[in-house]
Amino acid sequence: LAKTTQPISMDSYEGQEVNITCSHNNIATNDYITWYQQFPSQGPRFIIQGYKTKVTNEVASLFIPADRKSSTLSLPRVSLSDTAVYYCLRNAGNNRKLIWGLGTSLAVNP
Amino acid sequence: DAGVIQSPRHEVTEMGQEVTLRCKPISGHDYLFWYRQTMMRGLELLIYFNNNVPIDDSGMPEDRFSAKMPNASFSTLKIQPSEPRDSAVYFCASRLAGENEQFFGPGTRLTVL
Repeated sequence: LAKTTQPISMDSYEGQEVNITCSHNNIATNDYITWYQQFPSQGPRFIIQGYKTKVTNEVASLFIPADRKSSTLSLPRVSLSDTAVYYCLRNAGNNRKLIWGLGTSLAVNP
Repeated sequence: DAGVIQSPRHEVTEMGQEVTLRCKPISGHDYLFWYRQTMMRGLELLIYFNNNVPIDDSGMPEDRFSAKMPNASFSTLKIQPSEPRDSAVYFCASRLAGENEQFFGPGTRLTVL
């Protein structure tokens, strides 16, 4: 299974909106797109998941176009505490294969 | 709930020694996953269990690695003999059946000298 592709790193400033785009050209019909956040010395933490269109929760939004070959995680008004590594992954409905990429290291500057 | 518990948090050992990593999943979770994380390869799924039964161990790197889940509240990942290239952070995660969200433990940082 092909891994997802996302930028290695991004820089932002406090209060800005950050959009991280992930490419998953070979996504299968049953695959969901899930995003996790990881702080240093901690395990990854679930942020949001979607199948298509737009999903929003209290921390982020996830946009998935109709062809589902990419997805964009949107973090509104980031703060210094949002500095972390963000992973985009595909998972089949039964979690049989979780395809983890190398993640995007987001640095939020004051 | 205390979340997923892993022990030890840090382990330093010498090449050739046996290493045993331990995990207690969240109570009631049906699935348990073992991952390895390195800078070069990122997060790799090693093996996962459903209701204590190993389902997919295709990610286990070689025969030196073995994992067990004797009951719903405990799992071990054993490396025997250990090698320097096994140095990594090992995570355990668990989830409920029917849910996609995995809950990760704090990890065990293994250093093999």
